[in-house]
Amino acid sequence: GQQLNQSPQSMFIQEGEDVSMNCTSSSIFNTWLWYKQDPGEGPVLLIALYKAGELTSNGRLTAQFGITRKDSFLNISASIPSDVGIYFCAGRRGNQFYFGTGTSLTVIP
Amino acid sequence: NAGVMQNPRHLVRRRGQEARLRCSPMKGHSHVYWYRQLPEEGLKFMVYLQKENIIDESGMPKERFSAEFPKEGPSILRIQQVVRGDSAAYFCASSPPGTPYGYTFGSGTRLTVV
Repeated sequence: GQQLNQSPQSMFIQEGEDVSMNCTSSSIFNTWLWYKQDPGEGPVLLIALYKAGELTSNGRLTAQFGITRKDSFLNISASIPSDVGIYFCAGRRGNQFYFGTGTSLTVIP
Repeated sequence: NAGVMQNPRHLVRRRGQEARLRCSPMKGHSHVYWYRQLPEEGLKFMVYLQKENIIDESGMPKERFSAEFPKEGPSILRIQQVVRGDSAAYFCASSPPGTPYGYTFGSGTRLTVV
């Protein structure tokens, strides 16, 4: 199957710090998505990107669709405790979304 | 407007039993997708269905697994003769017709095979 590599695997940061995580693939995708998953819940869509080079913001979150269409990054500014969770990138090809292995974020108050 | 509803939230089955997982899509959504998530892993695509049709089942194991989305009622993911390796969280997602972007996930069913 498709391999999406997310980094870092985990992050421990102080409240108020900015966060950056990225996702790379050996294949091209038409759409990149970023999801957040809380324990025991399903993933919730944060940001969707549809064009290479696109930069999109949603509140304190900013994500970009890489020019090569093989990567994407997500930034979170001024982190707060409720940002804790696992963040997944997903790339779309055809009917399927291929998910990365996730970045676990811990915010220390 | 209720979200994607999955039930049960937790399901325990003994080896060899059948597991039936249900998913009711959001109102107005006619496309349903099933994903499986193993502990500390990302979600893996299993199957994509529209009403009464299986569109893409390339992620479904060849044996013991089946899915349906009847004209009336929820989508069902059925696992026959479960084994310990089937223990995972199973998520359903739905989208309206013609949506090329991300869809809405349910809260999942956590299957434990003992």
